Amino acid sequence: GENVEQHPSTLSVQEGDSAVIKCTYSDSASNYFPWYKQELGKRPQLIIDIRSNVGEKKDQRIAVTLNKTAKHFSLHITETQPEDSAVYFCAASIQAGTALIFGKGTTLSVSS
Amino acid sequence: NAGVTQTPKFRVLKTGQSMTLLCAQDMNHEYMYWYRQDPGMGLRLIHYSVGEGTTAKGEVPDGYNVSRLKKQNFLLGLESAAPSQTSVYFCASSLGEKLFFGSGTQLSVL
Repeated sequence: GENVEQHPSTLSVQEGDSAVIKCTYSDSASNYFPWYKQELGKRPQLIIDIRSNVGEKKDQRIAVTLNKTAKHFSLHITETQPEDSAVYFCAASIQAGTALIFGKGTTLSVSS
Repeated sequence: NAGVTQTPKFRVLKTGQSMTLLCAQDMNHEYMYWYRQDPGMGLRLIHYSVGEGTTAKGEVPDGYNVSRLKKQNFLLGLESAAPSQTSVYFCASSLGEKLFFGSGTQLSVL
């Protein structure tokens, strides 16, 4: 089955810096790659996703890139703010309704 | 529109006891999932369902059973609880690819 590796496990940045989180996946059939953000004590929420026919997607300060050949994808957050502090999870699936497999998460801390 | 509702929110069990976690969604979603979240382990898929009457195993199905008798409900059962099942359990549902999570159930097995 699918296996998703996520790095780093913790990331500390200063407010205004950029943050990058990287994930690799094992199943070449995977074609959907979402990112979820989980604030302390809250439920995970989708922040951005990308499909295999797209190489990059942006939404304001966040962007995701995908390299299908290398089987890795990354989350980029620019101009980080304290409210970006949370745990971020990457995930991969073959298609809607099938198993969505998550990475182990990255705890991002943004200090002001 | 409540979204995804999980009951109970907290539960403490003794080893060997059984219990059922209930997940209900009012969004008419086809797909439903049960995940467990443990420190440093991320979200691990226990079981999922692609429609009423169907279930499938995820990454860590052992020790759990599920049922989807009605489209809006997905039940997770622990027949004989073990301390290793102490965790936060999240239910989620989706119509396509975006998952909507419930608020979680914190389960402790002593």
